[in-house]
This record gives sequence, C-alpha cells and structure tokens, in this order.
Amino acid sequence: GQNIDQPTEMTATEGAIVQINCTYQTSGFNGLFWYQQHAGEAPTFLSYNVLDGLEEKGRFSSFLSRSKGYSYLLLKELQMKDSASYLCAVRDRRGYQKVTFGTGTKLQVIP
Amino acid sequence: ETGVTQTPRHLVMGMTNKKSLKCEQHLGHNAMYWYKQSAKKPLELMFVYNFKEQTENNSVPSRFSPECPNSSHLFLHLHTLQPEDSALYLCASSQERGSTDTQYFGPGTRLTVL
Repeated sequence: GQNIDQPTEMTATEGAIVQINCTYQTSGFNGLFWYQQHAGEAPTFLSYNVLDGLEEKGRFSSFLSRSKGYSYLLLKELQMKDSASYLCAVRDRRGYQKVTFGTGTKLQVIP
Repeated sequence: ETGVTQTPRHLVMGMTNKKSLKCEQHLGHNAMYWYKQSAKKPLELMFVYNFKEQTENNSVPSRFSPECPNSSHLFLHLHTLQPEDSALYLCASSQERGSTDTQYFGPGTRLTVL
C-alpha cells in the first residue's frame, strides 16, 4: 500500500509564501498530483510531477524528489482566496495505476 | 467549470430509503470513478469504470451499487444505508483508466443518512 503524510493545518499571511510538504512511501511510484479543494467544492487539479525537480505554474510551484519520497507545493503572493485544502495524491503503477490521496492540508490565509 | 456534473448536490435520507446519485461528464473521457470523502479522512476510492466495465471495487458494502450505462454517465444506487455512510460522494473522470492522465472531479453530493 501507500502511506501519504501531509500536515493537517497551516496558517499564512496574505502576500507571503507558504510551502506545503508531502511525504509518501510506495514501491511503484508513477506520479504525484496536487489538488486544491475549497470547502464544499470539488477538488481541482493544480499540478503533476513524475520526474525530479520543480514545476512552476504561475503563483504555484510543485517540487518532487523521488529518492526521498518527498514533494512540496509552494504558493507565492498568497491571496485570501487561496484558503482551501490542498490534497497530495500518489499514483502507483501497480494496481492498474491506482491514485491514493492524502488527508489534505487545510490552509488558512489571514490578512 | 462544468466538465463533470453531479446531482443532487445535497441529499438527506433515512436508513430504509432507496436513492440514486448521478454523475455526468462532458469531457469525452472513458474512465469514471466514485470516491467517498469523510471528515478528516483521505479520499477513498470506491469504484472504477473503464469503457463502461467495472475494473475496481474497493471492498465497498453491497448497500452501494454502481451502474455505468455508457462512458458519460455513472450512477450510485443507495439502499439501507447507515449513519456512518454520511459523507461527500465525489465523481471523477479521466481519459482512460491505467493511463497517466489526470482525474477531473465533480462538485460532489453531500449525503446525510438519518
């Protein structure tokens, strides 16, 4: 199976930078996703990493280190609307490319 | 974004009721998924359909019965549910199960079992 760990909650200030970490354990790693989920809404896709390194997309960046089983999501120039849960999910090439989700990190952006 | 729609958005039912959740995707995808999201728990994969065929059932109780009449529509039939089944039920779709593409989610149905 897979173990995915991410902090339960984080608080950051508007305009600042925040890094949300995710660690995982799987022997069949085949990609890591980050999703954003506002309360009562659907998760929306943010990023996908399958190779080591940093993927940048506007204010959001995602980093992956496969050897360390580690990823982070970096949010820059935080806005109040970034208050949401951020879900880390790992794909395993075994089990027909099954995607397993972490419990999510609830981010609160304060003025 | 209306690529994946779900109805109803909210549902309250008694333990003896029978109801159905509906999901429709307008993305031309071939794989559809049902997930359960409970408070403080990770998303739990329930069922997967690929080209209308069920390819995964994650030990879900028989009181949940999926149906996939075509690649665009997915149903979850509910009967004799328990209060612990109260949760957000999310539908998702992707191009094809077993590929490396992304899943897109619907807004979910908030289910309360009394």
